Amino acid sequence: EVQLVESGGGLVKPGGSLRLSCAASGFTFSSYSMNWVRQAPGKGLEWVSSISSSSSYIYYADSVKGRFTISRDNAKNSLYLQMNSLRAEDTAVYYCARGRSYRPAAPFDSWGQGTLATVSS
Amino acid sequence: DIQMTQSPSSLSASVGDRVTITCQASQDISNYLNWYQQKPGKAPKILIYDASNLETKVPSRFSGSGSGTDFTFTISSLQPEDIATYYCQQYDNLPYTFGQGTKLEIK
Repeated sequence: EVQLVESGGGLVKPGGSLRLSCAASGFTFSSYSMNWVRQAPGKGLEWVSSISSSSSYIYYADSVKGRFTISRDNAKNSLYLQMNSLRAEDTAVYYCARGRSYRPAAPFDSWGQGTLATVSS
Repeated sequence: DIQMTQSPSSLSASVGDRVTITCQASQDISNYLNWYQQKPGKAPKILIYDASNLETKVPSRFSGSGSGTDFTFTISSLQPEDIATYYCQQYDNLPYTFGQGTKLEIK
């Protein structure tokens, strides 16, 4: 069974940093692209970033480009999102989601339960 | 960016009703369109991928159709457990945009 478990969320002040992690199990992690999708409180889904299976292709939403960095460690079956220069509008539940392909352009076929990042003074 | 416009934004229907949600893309996305279900407090779950393909283990009352710019998601006979918000999403072009969601309630 595919399992994705996010961690690392919490309360941080504006301008601060957080590093989110997503631990994957139940599938060959190194064969699939991975993604981060966020959802602000009471709002819809927003794609944040994608990374191909071998990290060759990395993409970001304009809203986070230059501030967030996606990475993965295939030896540890883990996905990461380093979030710097955080703003109040980054407050959201962050989901990791598996892409149904080695390349980023693919349906998101499994999702974690999400981790809440709150940016507030 | 490709804009995904869902309608309606909310919908109230009775158990057993046929329910239809539409999603319109601002440009041609071929069939690179997925539908997700999100129940309150839960993560999204994929139901339909590539416009019309039913995800494994998803009940057959769910279906999708369309290509190009106009897409339809249908629940043939609404069940109480279908109460959720439904999102379409395109992955033809970056950024991979979602529709604003359709909140489905039982009448």
